[in-house]
Amino acid sequence: EPEVTQTPSHQVTQMGQEVILRCVPISNHLYFYWYRQILGQKVEFLVSFYNNEISEKSEIFDDQFSVERPDGSNFTLKIRSTKLEDSAMYFCASSGSGPPYEQYFGPGTRLTVT
Amino acid sequence: SQQGEEDPQALSIQEGENATMNCSYKTSINNLQWYRQNSGRGLVHLILIRSNEREKHSGRLRVTLDTSKKSSSLLITASRAADTASYFCATASLNSGGSNYKLTFGKGTLLTVNP
Repeated sequence: EPEVTQTPSHQVTQMGQEVILRCVPISNHLYFYWYRQILGQKVEFLVSFYNNEISEKSEIFDDQFSVERPDGSNFTLKIRSTKLEDSAMYFCASSGSGPPYEQYFGPGTRLTVT
Repeated sequence: SQQGEEDPQALSIQEGENATMNCSYKTSINNLQWYRQNSGRGLVHLILIRSNEREKHSGRLRVTLDTSKKSSSLLITASRAADTASYFCATASLNSGGSNYKLTFGKGTLLTVNP
């Protein structure tokens, strides 16, 4: 069964460093998303991406964040200058081209900023 | 309550019993989805119910949706120890561009099924 994959599973970085989280969505899906979950809190929407552009972003997704689909399979989330409060589990999700648009999530990348 | 708010926050039952979790939301939705998350792991999609549906079944799962009360329930019948996990409801609303949906998650219900 096709699934969303994410790498790395765990990333430790120092405050101020740039990180890139990588995702490979399900191959025939057209909509891509990033969410994050701070430990013990809700899963929060960050950004959605369709047709090579951002279709919606939350107020969390500020200028420090960017997303890219560099080729036909990868979808990346970049954080330019990490802060301690960026420590969280980051989930990538994808959904297909038609309703009802179930979103399928990857296993997550645990980002720890020290 | 906030969008996609589940109750109870925690539920502990014996294997074989049924587990019911509830979710309330505030705004209009296109569909509502339930997910399971094992501790520290990813989100597994369980079931989706559209706003024009009232009930849906999938195996041991039964989901209801009452749009007039803005609430949904997830029933797991004949629970097993392996069902131990956190369960989240997520409401899907169309984005402003009308092209796709973002999910708004609740805080979840931690279900413990004791063998």
